[in-house]
Amino acid sequence: QVQLVQSGAEVKKPGASVMVSCKTSGYPFTDYFMHWVRQAPGQGLEWMGWLNPNSGFTKYAQRFQGRVTMTRDTSISTAYMELSGLRSDDTAMYYCVRDLVTIAVAGIFDYWGQGTLVTVSS
Amino acid sequence: EIVMTQSPATLSVSPGERVTLSCRASQSVSSNLAWYQQKPGQAPRLLIYGASTRATGIPARFSGSGSGTEFSLTISSLQSEDFAVYYCQQYNKWPTFGPGTKVDIK
Repeated sequence: QVQLVQSGAEVKKPGASVMVSCKTSGYPFTDYFMHWVRQAPGQGLEWMGWLNPNSGFTKYAQRFQGRVTMTRDTSISTAYMELSGLRSDDTAMYYCVRDLVTIAVAGIFDYWGQGTLVTVSS
Repeated sequence: EIVMTQSPATLSVSPGERVTLSCRASQSVSSNLAWYQQKPGQAPRLLIYGASTRATGIPARFSGSGSGTEFSLTISSLQSEDFAVYYCQQYNKWPTFGPGTKVDIK
């Protein structure tokens, strides 16, 4: 079965960077685009960008441009999201999310990781 | 950016009732609209995409309708496991979500 397993919770100081990993199994990793979505405590959902695991090409939401980097290691079917210049308002649950559609990007999120809580505090 | 709004913010319902949630887009998104259910402490779950297509394994009591800027999600007979927050999301352009509707027990 399809599984997305994320790395554990992180506590970071303002200005630091964080990298979250998302190890996948149960499907061909390079066939489905991977997105990252975050959710601040008690708040709604915010799309951050997507990664084409086949080519490595990325597209980021404008508000994260220059601060976010999405990469992958196809040998271990794992995607990564690094966010730099952390601020207190980056405190959120970060999810990796698989796109529903094969080979292309649709923006429909069918499988979700369990989430990684990133806390930014001095 | 396409702004999504949802109404009402909270809905208090009794089990067995029929429930309709509304979602509006700031500009047309055609039928590129999805609905998600999120329970406390869990990741969201895809319910509907293409405005009206149920995702794999989603019970038939969930149905979606609409196109353009006005959409709705209907739960025909609310079950105890359906008490949750429901989000709509457009994917016509860069994905954006609505603020959610919380369905709680009356």
